[in-house]
Amino acid sequence: GAGVSQSPSNKVTEKGKDVELRCDPISGHTALYWYRQRLGQGLEFLIYFQGNSAPDKSGLPSDRFSAERTGESVSTLTIQRTQQEDSAVYLCASSLYGTGLMNEQFFGPGTRLTVL
Amino acid sequence: KNQVEQSPQSLIILEGKNCTLQCNYTVSPFSNLRWYKQDTGRGPVSLTIMTFSENTKSNGRYTATLDADTKQSSLHITASQLSDSASYICVVSARQAGTALIFGKGTTLSVSS
Repeated sequence: GAGVSQSPSNKVTEKGKDVELRCDPISGHTALYWYRQRLGQGLEFLIYFQGNSAPDKSGLPSDRFSAERTGESVSTLTIQRTQQEDSAVYLCASSLYGTGLMNEQFFGPGTRLTVL
Repeated sequence: KNQVEQSPQSLIILEGKNCTLQCNYTVSPFSNLRWYKQDTGRGPVSLTIMTFSENTKSNGRYTATLDADTKQSSLHITASQLSDSASYICVVSARQAGTALIFGKGTTLSVSS
């Protein structure tokens, strides 16, 4: 596609429910990133996929968060037993290669998650 | 602790005026610094990327400067337009941090007519 797409654009869920967020990276991009942006805060790194390498999960805030990526295409971020503090915009980005010095990340529009 | 601080938090200017946004960082060892523009409801879009050896880089009406000695960067916007209204985010990468990009909280710019 022309850019990174994410779905849904908005998600409202009840505390304790599981949610799945989807990201479709730019075709041909080998690297994919997930970020969280809380209201009034900067972006927080969550997880990074690069080709067939083991993902860098160092940013995941708890074991309720997990993500998968199918080959070099779509990725899903799953949040289990959602809590109100999980409310945020979840942004996905992709880049052509890995985290090389100048490798530019292209961001999707984000999914706004609201946990009631 | 690696941190990126931006100022001001928000700014309102009249269309056609210039403005300068500031970014101070404590990330070490420094690799590169990026400025992103984030429109409301959209993902960030890269404006400039600078390495240690670069002092200035322009992208149209946007000019970024970098002083690696004082660990400061600025983004200057010339002849502002209504479409410049957005959040401007400073992002710093540490050399061996791999995926770790440190994001500032952003400066919200409002351009009014």
